[in-house]
Amino acid sequence: AQSVTQLGSHVSVSEGALVLLRCNYSSSVPPYLFWYVQYPNQGLQLLLKYTSAATLVKGINDFEAEFKKSETSFHLTKPSAHMSDAAEYFCAVKGFQKLVFGTGTRLLVSP
Amino acid sequence: DTEVTQTPKHLVMGMTNKKSLKCEQHMGHRAMYWYKQKAKKPPELMFVYSYEKLSINESVPSRFSPECPNSSLLNLHLHALQPEDSALYLCASSPREENEQFFGPGTRLTVL
Repeated sequence: AQSVTQLGSHVSVSEGALVLLRCNYSSSVPPYLFWYVQYPNQGLQLLLKYTSAATLVKGINDFEAEFKKSETSFHLTKPSAHMSDAAEYFCAVKGFQKLVFGTGTRLLVSP
Repeated sequence: DTEVTQTPKHLVMGMTNKKSLKCEQHMGHRAMYWYKQKAKKPPELMFVYSYEKLSINESVPSRFSPECPNSSLLNLHLHALQPEDSALYLCASSPREENEQFFGPGTRLTVL
């Protein structure tokens, strides 16, 4: 069965600093992987997706993620954090007929 | 139209009430989903409709009753809920089940 693990329930960065949110996956088949962002009291917004076309995936708002099969990882990065990036981030893997979500990482951005 | 809409935005109901949540998409997606999300937790899948037929019920209590009247509309009928059912209810859709899902803004449900 497919699963994802997000390391760190909270990540704190300063505005302008590099953002790195970690996600490791487990899958018996080539995975489809996703990153979603959720702002308070809102739904989930798709940031980016990996569907085996390219290992470096670019998403919205300057986020990107790199698929590393050898490390079973799909970490999310952004070169320079903005205050508006403060939110909950979920990594997900495509399971049988459904998405399997990680437990989420809350990104805190300080001025 | 590239979004999933949900109504109402907020709902407060008593344990004896009957209410319904509504979800709509006009992107031609053929799969639609209901999720329940408690605070500080990831969404939990409740139901999946594929081509207007229920394909997954994640052992959800019968006080939650889904309905898919057509390919654009998904309802969740609520009856005799418990206070622990208070949560954010999210609807999502995807072109087909194997594609990425697009989420609505959710309905914040409070059961008194």
